[in-house]
Amino acid sequence: QSALTQPASVSGSPGQSITISCTGTSSDVGGYNYVSWYQQHPGKAPKLMIYDVNNRPSGVSNRFSGSKSGNTASLTISGLQAEDEADYYCSSYTSSSTHVVFGGGTKLTVL
Amino acid sequence: QVQLQESGPGLVKPSQTLSLTCTVSGGSISSGSYYWSWIRQPAGKGLEWIGRIYTSGSTNYNPSLKSRVTISVDTSKNQFSLKLSSVTAADTAVYYCARDLGGLNYYYYYMDVWGKGTTVTVSS
Repeated sequence: QSALTQPASVSGSPGQSITISCTGTSSDVGGYNYVSWYQQHPGKAPKLMIYDVNNRPSGVSNRFSGSKSGNTASLTISGLQAEDEADYYCSSYTSSSTHVVFGGGTKLTVL
Repeated sequence: QVQLQESGPGLVKPSQTLSLTCTVSGGSISSGSYYWSWIRQPAGKGLEWIGRIYTSGSTNYNPSLKSRVTISVDTSKNQFSLKLSSVTAADTAVYYCARDLGGLNYYYYYMDVWGKGTTVTVSS
């Protein structure tokens, strides 16, 4: 069982917007603004999409945005494209000895 | 641009030690404020952080694996390595090495450059 809770799957049609949630506790998501999101296509390595809750690394499309409210972080993808179909993982710094925790992943299907 | 490549045996026997090396190319492992990390992913499952090392030799480990894990760095070869002892079938996974931005901020556990991953199977 993952430390951060994500929905197993979400779906949307091209052009639409979707949001993936990531729920933790006050020891991780709620207590720190050190949340990140990764995109992983099948058979590929993860790619950093968001860090510090809502910052995008250079080269990441501005269709990807992040936010946080309380113990829940969210990733929003606007103007959904076929290439966005992938697994998405959230991650957060944690004050526990684990240092960092991941969510179980969300499979995004573009209909 | 920096690239990472994992290498090592794809098959390890139970109770033995898994050893992997990550070779960094396109830049010096000692330049910049980076940690160097290992992450694994069992087939069909999520990501698990194993640990990381700074070029000074300072390490952080996942406590669930700490008793079995050693991460080391060889700056002369631009490589860092993972050793996981007493492996079982539960250690079967794709193992990734990655660059970690933790040198910029201790709370950063952000992996911005990843290797392609290598599959390690634990079986007799």
